[in-house]
Amino acid sequence: DGGITQSPKYLFRKEGQNVTLSCEQNLNHDAMYWYRQDPGQGLRLIYYSQIVNDFQKGDIAEGYSVSREKKESFPLTVTSAQKNPTAFYLCASSIDRDRPFNGYTFGSGTRLTVV
Amino acid sequence: KQEVTQIPAALSVPEGENLVLNCSFTDSAIYNLQWFRQDPGKGLTSLLLIQSSQREQTSGRLNASLDKSSGRSTLYIAASQPGDSATYLCAVKYPSNTGKLIFGQGTTLQVKP
Repeated sequence: DGGITQSPKYLFRKEGQNVTLSCEQNLNHDAMYWYRQDPGQGLRLIYYSQIVNDFQKGDIAEGYSVSREKKESFPLTVTSAQKNPTAFYLCASSIDRDRPFNGYTFGSGTRLTVV
Repeated sequence: KQEVTQIPAALSVPEGENLVLNCSFTDSAIYNLQWFRQDPGKGLTSLLLIQSSQREQTSGRLNASLDKSSGRSTLYIAASQPGDSATYLCAVKYPSNTGKLIFGQGTTLQVKP
């Protein structure tokens, strides 16, 4: 079945550590996105990529980094510069940037906790 | 500023009741609007997608309407069931190069047996 796979489901980070969240899709979608979800704040865009080898900052990119070396994969690294990383992270994809009349598909999320 | 608001934030109803969830957006020049369902600790599941040229979409017991001129969408759930208990999120896509969705904060629904 086509879809988006996020791993791990739960991740614990120590102070000062970098951690990487995985996002893989087999939908042949060009565009991929990372959102952060906090209680009471809704979803906020961290980074997005509309094509391989290209990505752009979203609304809250500070302390995060991404790469898009393959169409199927869009990993997110939470660096030690992100001071409040505890949140639920959601990866999403959509068909392509030239056809805006389409919906998003989301993964099942990764819950990151600082210990 | 482009904002999406969902009212109420929480709703509790007895099983079998028909109900309406509301979504409003400040800028009416949207590309499309998507309704999602989120169960606790889970990702988002797409329920209905309404293009800017459409007025409504239906899937089973769900019906979503769109009124661009008033900046509103409603999600109608018929004959609610305990399994409908979840958070429902409304998201709007505007013309831009980012493809970004703007989300409301959601309505948490509890359907009591």
